[in-house]
Amino acid sequence: DAGVTQSPTHLIKTRGQQVTLRCSPKSGHDTVSWYQQALGQGPQFIFQYYEEEERQRGNFPDRFSGHQFPNYSSELNVNALLLGDSALYLCASSLVSAGEQYFGPGTRLTVT
Amino acid sequence: KQEVTQIPAALSVPEGENLVLNCSFTDSAIYNLQWFRQDPGKGLTSLLLIQSSQREQTSGRLNASLDKSSGRSTLYIAASQPGDSATYLCAVTMRAGGTSYGKLTFGQGTILTVHP
Repeated sequence: DAGVTQSPTHLIKTRGQQVTLRCSPKSGHDTVSWYQQALGQGPQFIFQYYEEEERQRGNFPDRFSGHQFPNYSSELNVNALLLGDSALYLCASSLVSAGEQYFGPGTRLTVT
Repeated sequence: KQEVTQIPAALSVPEGENLVLNCSFTDSAIYNLQWFRQDPGKGLTSLLLIQSSQREQTSGRLNASLDKSSGRSTLYIAASQPGDSATYLCAVTMRAGGTSYGKLTFGQGTILTVHP
C-alpha cells in the first residue's frame, strides 16, 4: 500500500520564479492538505483540497495556489518566489477532512 | 485563534529512561489531537491520534493522554532508546459542528536526544 508521495525531493529556484510541487495521496484517501515548515518551526497550514475544490485556507498570500485532480492528486504552485519561501513543503492526505492525516516525505525548496 | 505550545523545546536523556513530553493548547474545542515524529529533513510519521472524547491512546512503548478541559496532552515514552531520537510534534484540529475541517495547528516541537 503506497503512502503519500511527493515530487520533487529537492528544488532550487531563483527569486521571482514560479514553482510547482506535486503530491499523490495515500491509496483510498480523498483529501489533501499542504503545509509549509520553516527550519526549526512547526508546519503551517497552507490550504486543503477536497472534491477538487479548496475547502480551507491558512494565512498565505495569493501567490500560493493549488489544484486537485480527479484522481485526488494535488499540486501546489507558488508564484513570484521570495527568499522567505525557502522551506520544507509537506503534503498530507486523509479519508475525509476529519480523518487521521498521513504525511509525505516533503519537498525541500530553496530560493536563492 | 488556537495556539499550541510544547515544553520542553529540547530534551536529552540516557538510554532506558522513561520520559514525558508536554503539549498545551489554548482553545479546548478540539476535534482530535495527533502526536507526530519527525526525523531531520524528513516528513512526519503519525504516532498516536486521540479523539476529543478519549482520554488516552497507547501504541507499544508510547502512551498519549488528553485532558481537554485543561488544554493539555502528554506523550509518555517508556524505556527510551537511541532510535527514539527525533523531533516530536503535537497538533490539534478544531471542531466544526460534529466534525472537523482537518486543519492541523502544530506546536514547535520537542527535540529529543537519547544517548547510549
